[in-house]
Amino acid sequence: DVKVTQSSRYLVKRTGEKVFLECVQDMDHENMFWYRQDPGLGLRLIYFSYDVKMKEKGDIPEGYSVSREKKERFSLILESASTNQTSMYLCASSLQGGKETQYFGPGTRLLVL
Amino acid sequence: RKEVEQDPGPFNVPEGATVAFNCTYSNSASQSFFWYRQDCRKEPKLLMSVYSSGNEDGRFTAQLNRASQYISLLIRDSKLSDSATYLCVGNTGTASKLTFGTGTRLQVTL
Repeated sequence: DVKVTQSSRYLVKRTGEKVFLECVQDMDHENMFWYRQDPGLGLRLIYFSYDVKMKEKGDIPEGYSVSREKKERFSLILESASTNQTSMYLCASSLQGGKETQYFGPGTRLLVL
Repeated sequence: RKEVEQDPGPFNVPEGATVAFNCTYSNSASQSFFWYRQDCRKEPKLLMSVYSSGNEDGRFTAQLNRASQYISLLIRDSKLSDSATYLCVGNTGTASKLTFGTGTRLQVTL
């Protein structure tokens, strides 16, 4: 079974803090994704990566950056957390190609005070 | 217009009922479609892929209508455990990206 893990289930941070969310997958998948999910807005793609050290902006990249130094690990960074970044953050991975099923991690609920 | 649109519901149905959800997509170049299920405060999980010829998995049937640009999910003999949010998903035609609908909530009751 594909396993995608995220470093924290719940996180509370203060405005202005730098926040790191880590995601690891164990199935040698090429593609990895970061989404945020908010009520009424569904899943919105922040960034994705189709290879080590490669990254592409998604639909809402502002205020975020990412890092993919190893194939199995994809990190999301909030350079200076703001209250409007309070959300559920979901990491996903898929095999190479846009048609492939994405497998999700359990999510991180981030609260920015 | 949203790329993938769903009726948010909720759909409240009794156990044993048949329920159907539709989802429309705007990009005629979209090639891959899926239905995901998401339980409350959990991550989305793949329910089934949607194939052009339609496909069935137990009580679940998925259909694709390219001419009208919609996909559907039919659930027969609903169970209490089917209560969840069902996400319609399509690829945008751009490599590696999927677009998720906002979900349709289903509540199955006794």
